[in-house]
Amino acid sequence: KAGVTQTPRYLIKTRGQQVTLSCSPISGHRSVSWYQQTPGQGLQFLFEYFSETQRNKGNFPGRFSGRQFSNSRSEMNVSTLELGDSALYLCASSPQPLGQANTGELFFGEGSRLTVL
Amino acid sequence: GDSVTQMEGPVTLSEEAFLTINCTYTATGYPSLFWYVQYPGEGLQLLLKATKADDKGSNKGFEATYRKETTSFHLEKGSVQVSDSAVYFCALSRNTGNQFYFGTGTSLTVIP
Repeated sequence: KAGVTQTPRYLIKTRGQQVTLSCSPISGHRSVSWYQQTPGQGLQFLFEYFSETQRNKGNFPGRFSGRQFSNSRSEMNVSTLELGDSALYLCASSPQPLGQANTGELFFGEGSRLTVL
Repeated sequence: GDSVTQMEGPVTLSEEAFLTINCTYTATGYPSLFWYVQYPGEGLQLLLKATKADDKGSNKGFEATYRKETTSFHLEKGSVQVSDSAVYFCALSRNTGNQFYFGTGTSLTVIP
């Protein structure tokens, strides 16, 4: 069974540009959640999608957005990039929505490392 | 709100030393607790979990016990190996919530 796939793995952008990251979950998983990982902050929750609907959003500005397609693949977009957006962006999939009683495990991709110059 | 606090690193140990990484949490109700591990260049993967008070999660020689009275879920291993070098994240999830909360991670380096 293929794991969670994130593309691209590495990218470099300049301030003011926008970026789109993609995440393909494990087959059959309908929940995709996104996290920003930085050395000082650890993992911070961005948002979760389940069945093409955003269920929850973390404390990030509106420049961060996402969507999910009917095949459960998800994209996140960051507009008007800032230096502080440099981070590893991780997505995770699970069969059930986050917080459900039987949600025991998140399956993570290897991440997309974004550098903003 | 819900949160997880784990001991800061980095932690450096010699092979076969005893490991403890402290984790405490704040949450309403009865969360499920997790330890995830991130090896260099990889995403996170579940190491162990516990879903109710006094449960002990264990895997690959690692253990953690869900202590509701002290709101803790400390990770322990009796004898670490070089291959255990990684970043370890404590996390919680509530049945009535809809997100995971992660600690800031603790980097472990094991030297031969």
